[in-house]
This record gives sequence, C-alpha cells and structure tokens, in this order.
Amino acid sequence: GAGVSQSPRYKVAKRGQDVALRCDPISGHVSLFWYQQALGQGPEFLTYFQNEAQLDKSGLPSDRFFAERPEGSVSTLKIQRTQQEDSAVYLCASSLAPVRPSKPEAFFGQGTRLTVV
Amino acid sequence: AQTVTQSQPEMSVQEAETVTLSCTYDTSESNYYLFWYKQPPSRQMILVIRQEAYKQQNATENRFSVNFQKAAKSFSLKISDSQLGDTAMYFCAFSWGGSGNTGKLIFGQGTTLQVKP
Repeated sequence: GAGVSQSPRYKVAKRGQDVALRCDPISGHVSLFWYQQALGQGPEFLTYFQNEAQLDKSGLPSDRFFAERPEGSVSTLKIQRTQQEDSAVYLCASSLAPVRPSKPEAFFGQGTRLTVV
Repeated sequence: AQTVTQSQPEMSVQEAETVTLSCTYDTSESNYYLFWYKQPPSRQMILVIRQEAYKQQNATENRFSVNFQKAAKSFSLKISDSQLGDTAMYFCAFSWGGSGNTGKLIFGQGTTLQVKP
C-alpha cells in the first residue's frame, strides 16, 4: 500500500482481556518498529523486526507483550491480560534497511489507541 | 544512553509569524541523524525535516529550517510564516547512523504548538 496501515484505530478492552493490534508496513520495507505513546508523551520504542526476525525487543515492558511478523510483512502486537497502565497509542513504523544515508527515515501509521477499562 | 530533551511543553504563535522550537540531545556517537516529526490530532507522525550529523549545513525544507549546533548538542526547529495547519505536537528525535543500525528512534517529550489566527 501507499502508507503504513494499522488496525483497529481504536480498541477498548476490559482489564484482563487479551488484545491484538495489526500493522501493515509499506511494501518493500524490511524494517518494522512498534512504539508505545502514553498520553501527552513522546513515543517509546518497544520492538524491532528485520523481515521476520525480531532483532530487538528491549523495549517490551513485560512478558505480557508479544510481537510477531511471521512472513516478514504484516506484524501483530499482542498484549495479554491487559492492565490500565497499558492504555496508550501504539504506533507502527517501517523503513528501508539497512539504514541508508539517503533514506534514513521511518514512516508511521496512524496508530491504535488502546483504552483499558 | 542517548536522550532527547524538549524543554518547551507548549508554544503559541500568531499566524504568519516565526516560531522556534528547542531540542537538546545527549550522545557519545559521532554518526547519527536528527529529526523533527509533526503529530497532528490524527496521530500520524509526519517527518518535517532531518539532519545528518556529519553535515555542517543546516537542513531546510520550505518554511522549516533547523539550527544544528553539534558541539552544543542542540537542534532547534524554526517555522517561518506559520500557518494554521502547523498546529500540532512536534517531536525531536535521534537515530543512530552507520551500517548495521536499525533506524530505531529516541524521541523527546514533545512540544505542543498552537498557531493562532
């Protein structure tokens, strides 16, 4: 597609429910990132994929967070047993890899706003 | 660890005037990129401008320009002839350069800019 697509745009979950957030990156982009953005704050890195390989998951806040990208394109971020502190906007971004001087920037989707009640 | 600091939570400017948003960063790296992203209420991060650390010349994109002071680790954004559509949250971000780096971004806390008619 023309841009990074995320779904759903809004998700309300009851505390304790599992949720799955989807990201469709730009075609041909091998790098994919997930970020978590709390209200009024800057995004914080969660995890990074190069193709299907999850090369960096240092930002995942707990073992309730799990991400996958099994075929190197679409990615899913799963949160198990959601808690109120998981309420945030989850942003997905894709970029060319490896980082190239002419095209270092990442392109972002519109995010999924997760509200845990 | 790399950090990015935006010390102005909120700014306002009259339409057609000029405004400068501040950003400082801390790194021991010599090869890196700096970015300004705009996030309107739609939540999609839009790249405004980028600067390669090895370039001494300040980047310019139409009404947007930066003042990159490498020694001072300062990276401010100047918006000239402000327009109502510039109203958004602005984020300064850092990314490592060099081959093998993933493009992972470290964001500042953001500055909310309101352009008043």
